[in-house]
Amino acid sequence: DTGVSQDPRHKITKRGQNVTFRCDPISEHNRLYWYRQTLGQGPEFLTYFQNEAQLEKSRLLSDRFSAERPKGSFSTLEIQRTEQGDSAMYLCAWGREKLFFGSGTQLSVL
Amino acid sequence: EDKVVQSPLSLVVHEGDTVTLNCSYEVTNFRSLLWYKQEKKAPTFLFMLTSSGIEKKSGRLSSILDKKELFSILNITATQTGDSAIYLCAHTNYTGANSKLTFGKGITLSVRP
Repeated sequence: DTGVSQDPRHKITKRGQNVTFRCDPISEHNRLYWYRQTLGQGPEFLTYFQNEAQLEKSRLLSDRFSAERPKGSFSTLEIQRTEQGDSAMYLCAWGREKLFFGSGTQLSVL
Repeated sequence: EDKVVQSPLSLVVHEGDTVTLNCSYEVTNFRSLLWYKQEKKAPTFLFMLTSSGIEKKSGRLSSILDKKELFSILNITATQTGDSAIYLCAHTNYTGANSKLTFGKGITLSVRP
């Protein structure tokens, strides 16, 4: 039990399409994070929510990326006009000082 | 910019061997260092180290931090094939608000039977 459920587990899309991922905390977690992990690299911070407020965004999060957390429960991460460089594992996490990660959504952009 | 460097990047050992994984860091304001194990999907939390010289232990795994020399090590004794994974080290900048982790690239450990 990682504390968050992510959907879908895998997503294959064509370049230029829009994709949306979802993260559902299993119980109430007021802090929720999105990270991205490419092959051979550690996860990189994308954005952070405290309840419904998006409090920090990485410069990695270009204009094509948007994240929401309506009502402070589940969160979505949308990528518009996907590019091959967006291919990565997108991880959701919760926690205060130490973070606990979900199983991730593996995105492949063809 | 905070930086975490892990070495070696990959390692192959035989069951029963002892391994030492290294993590060095260069950060503006040190808070804590964390170790994770990543098998297929989610990184799973192993240890959080905040103070120098205090060993954290869990079964065959142990870890220690040296804040003077700016590094941490993760030791695994009597390795098993189930220890094969990527081991990630990360610094957290947590100051009571959010916890933004800066990860190293990870060390791929392969344990051969």
